[in-house]
Amino acid sequence: DAGVIQSPRHEVTEMGQEVTLRCKPISGHDYLFWYRQTMMRGLELLIYFNNNVPIDDSGMPEDRFSAKMPNASFSTLKIQPSEPRDSAVYFCASSKTSGGDREQFFGPGTRLTVL
Amino acid sequence: QKEVEQNSGPLSVPEGAIASLNCTYSDRGSQSFFWYRQYSGKSPELIMSIYSNGDKEDGRFTAQLNKASQYVSLLIRDSQPSDSATYLCAVKLGSTLGRLYFGRGTQLTVWP
Repeated sequence: DAGVIQSPRHEVTEMGQEVTLRCKPISGHDYLFWYRQTMMRGLELLIYFNNNVPIDDSGMPEDRFSAKMPNASFSTLKIQPSEPRDSAVYFCASSKTSGGDREQFFGPGTRLTVL
Repeated sequence: QKEVEQNSGPLSVPEGAIASLNCTYSDRGSQSFFWYRQYSGKSPELIMSIYSNGDKEDGRFTAQLNKASQYVSLLIRDSQPSDSATYLCAVKLGSTLGRLYFGRGTQLTVWP
């Protein structure tokens, strides 16, 4: 089975530009998570969805960040306008509730650099 | 107090030694515990999960859980240089649905 798919793998943009990160979760998983990882702050949860519905977006740093999940197989994280401090690795992860396990499977990440 | 805390390290051990990684959590109602390994420049990868008190062994890895002390650990026996990575502890707190709380990670270096 394919794992979590993210695109692009690398993104370099200039301050003020819009950035859109994409994620395809593992088929059959009903939870989807967006994380940001930096050396300073570690792995931070930004937002997560259950059955395409946002459950907790308290980790979204500010209004410049938005996330959508229009269907079970696709989610986007958008930053508009982007700033240099948004430079980080953004991970998408998915999990399923059946079976009691809550283990999350991570995608390869998108390395974002904002100049 | 953070929900999940790990000894920050870095931890350095010689090849063949036992590496011990520790994690404490705040919620007594927590039920599920996970250890992830993250190589530099890669994504976190699940290596162990544990749900009951006691030890769980998988090859060279042993996870230990003590719910009374709110403590979970990972032992790596016969450490190899390929074990050099950051190890993240993750906990499903009792009050949450679906979400895992991650520690900051412990960087492990195994030197030959």
